[in-house]
Amino acid sequence: GQQVMQIPQYQHVQEGEDFTTYCNSSTTLSNIQWYKQRPGGHPVFLIQLVKSGEVKKQKRLTFQFGEAKKNSSLHITATQTTDVGTYFCAGGGGGTSYGKLTFGQGTILTVHP
Amino acid sequence: NAGVTQTPKFQVLKTGQSMTLQCAQDMNHEYMSWYRQDPGMGLRLIHYSVGAGITDQGEVPNGYNVSRSTTEDFPLRLLSAAPSQTSVYFCASSYSSDTSGSPLHFGNGTRLTVT
Repeated sequence: GQQVMQIPQYQHVQEGEDFTTYCNSSTTLSNIQWYKQRPGGHPVFLIQLVKSGEVKKQKRLTFQFGEAKKNSSLHITATQTTDVGTYFCAGGGGGTSYGKLTFGQGTILTVHP
Repeated sequence: NAGVTQTPKFQVLKTGQSMTLQCAQDMNHEYMSWYRQDPGMGLRLIHYSVGAGITDQGEVPNGYNVSRSTTEDFPLRLLSAAPSQTSVYFCASSYSSDTSGSPLHFGNGTRLTVT
């Protein structure tokens, strides 16, 4: 079945440092979504990428979708303590049904003030 | 709108007991689903529904049953709880079952411990 691998599993940074998490799929993805989960909270949708090579920005967050639509990344510039949490990617490989959406394992980000 | 409401927030069961996790949404969403979250495993899909009367299995369906008699409600039943079902359970819904249509909205989760 489809696998979505996400690295690293953990990342500790000092406030102000940059952070990147990567997602890789074993199959070509129709689209990829990113979610953020604050400690003790629930996942919250951040963004969706659909096109090959697509780049989207949300303030200090930059999302990329690879040319081959098999990988994606989330980059945070100058992290803040409010960025702490777990970041998940979720890829759709078997068409665009939510029933076929596979989540990565998540990257847990800790920001030290 | 309350969004996606899950009850209870916490539950402790003994092995072999049964229980139902409740999920309700007031956004008239077509798609509803149940995930479990375990450390290092991400979110794994248990069961999902694309509309009232329609359910299907996800990645890890064994030991769980669901039904969708109304658009609003999607309960998850554990028939005979096992320690391996200790996890955090999230209900999620979306306006459309198509990922290109709208994002998933998650409930606050139910933390289940089976002893």
